[in-house]
Amino acid sequence: GQQVMQIPQYQHVQEGEDFTTYCNSSTTLSNIQWYKQRPGGHPVFLIQLVKSGEVKKQKRLTFQFGEAKKNSSLHITATQTTDVGTYFCAPYNFNKFYFGSGTKLNVKP
Amino acid sequence: NAGVTQTPKFRVLKTGQSMTLLCAQDMNHEYMYWYRQDPGMGLRLIHYSVGEGTTAKGEVPDGYNVSRLKKQNFLLGLESAAPSQTSVYFCASSHSGLAGGSSYNEQFFGPGTRLTVL
Repeated sequence: GQQVMQIPQYQHVQEGEDFTTYCNSSTTLSNIQWYKQRPGGHPVFLIQLVKSGEVKKQKRLTFQFGEAKKNSSLHITATQTTDVGTYFCAPYNFNKFYFGSGTKLNVKP
Repeated sequence: NAGVTQTPKFRVLKTGQSMTLLCAQDMNHEYMYWYRQDPGMGLRLIHYSVGEGTTAKGEVPDGYNVSRLKKQNFLLGLESAAPSQTSVYFCASSHSGLAGGSSYNEQFFGPGTRLTVL
């Protein structure tokens, strides 16, 4: 199946610090989605990236798709306590999405 | 609109018992998915469906069966539950599974079913 590695597994930050999670694939991806899951909740769609080198922003969140379409990143500027949760990348291949293991973000107020 | 709903929310089974999890969506989506989520392992695809009457295997299909008799419903069955199937099960749906820059394959998730097999 699809090999996807997401790092780091955990990240603890002080409120106001930045946060980045990376998603690396062993194969070229057609597209990739990012989801956020709050503790005890279900995954919620954040963004979809399709083009090589694509960069998309949503307020304090910046998403990038690598030039070779084998990696992606999510960067949060000036974290807030509302950013707490697990962030998953989900590369798409052959009608299926393969979720990474996620990065669990904890934000200390 | 209710979005994606799952029944039941919680269930405890004994080894060897059977049960069916129901997923329903009211968004007229073609694609539906069943995932399981275990601690620290992200979500793993069990089975999926690209339309009414069709199903396909995902990453971890063994021990599960599915049916999509109606477009809005996707059933996940466990014929003989095992402790290894203790997990949180999520159903999701999307308008289309096809790539191409469309936002239509955004997945909408249900609230999950927490299953414990003793």
